[in-house]
Amino acid sequence: AQSVTQLGSHVSVSEGALVLLRCNYSSSVPPYLFWYVQYPNQGLQLLLKYTTGATLVKGINGFEAEFKKSETSFHLTKPSAHMSDAAEYFCAVIEDSSYKLIFGSGTRLLVRP
Amino acid sequence: NAGVTQTPKFQVLKTGQSMTLQCAQDMNHEYMSWYRQDPGMGLRLIHYSVGAGITDQGEVPNGYNVSRSTTEDFPLRLLSAAPSQTSVYFCASSYLQGARTEAFFGQGTRLTVV
Repeated sequence: AQSVTQLGSHVSVSEGALVLLRCNYSSSVPPYLFWYVQYPNQGLQLLLKYTTGATLVKGINGFEAEFKKSETSFHLTKPSAHMSDAAEYFCAVIEDSSYKLIFGSGTRLLVRP
Repeated sequence: NAGVTQTPKFQVLKTGQSMTLQCAQDMNHEYMSWYRQDPGMGLRLIHYSVGAGITDQGEVPNGYNVSRSTTEDFPLRLLSAAPSQTSVYFCASSYLQGARTEAFFGQGTRLTVV
């Protein structure tokens, strides 16, 4: 069965510092992988996704993620954090065989001035 | 271009009351699903559907019923609300088509059971 693990429920960085949010998945077949962002009291916004092709995926707001099959990882990075990046981030996976979109427990990103 | 429409946005129920959360999509997607979001637990799958007339249970189905009579609509029913069902509920509509695979979410329903 597919599952998603996000290491660190809270990550705190200084403005301008590297952002690294970790996501590992468990899947018996090649998965589709997603990162979503949620700002306070709002819905979910797609940041980026990996479906097929290039394993380094670029998304909105300067974020990118790399699909590493050997490590079953899909970590989210941004070279330089901005105050507006403070939000909760969710990693998610879909398996072709089940059609279910399964989420990790989320990581809250705090950006210090 | 409505996408996924959820109603209501807010609801307060008394313990034991019933209600239906509505979800409609206009993208002709086969796959729809319901999630609940609780602090520290991410989004947990309640029920999902892979097409009209076909539904299945997710991770946390107890206390909830669904049906899918049309492609467009996927209502979630709480038969007898309990305080443990206080949560934010999201409906999603998705398609699996290789590189175009994506999921779209409604704006959520904030439910409080007192």
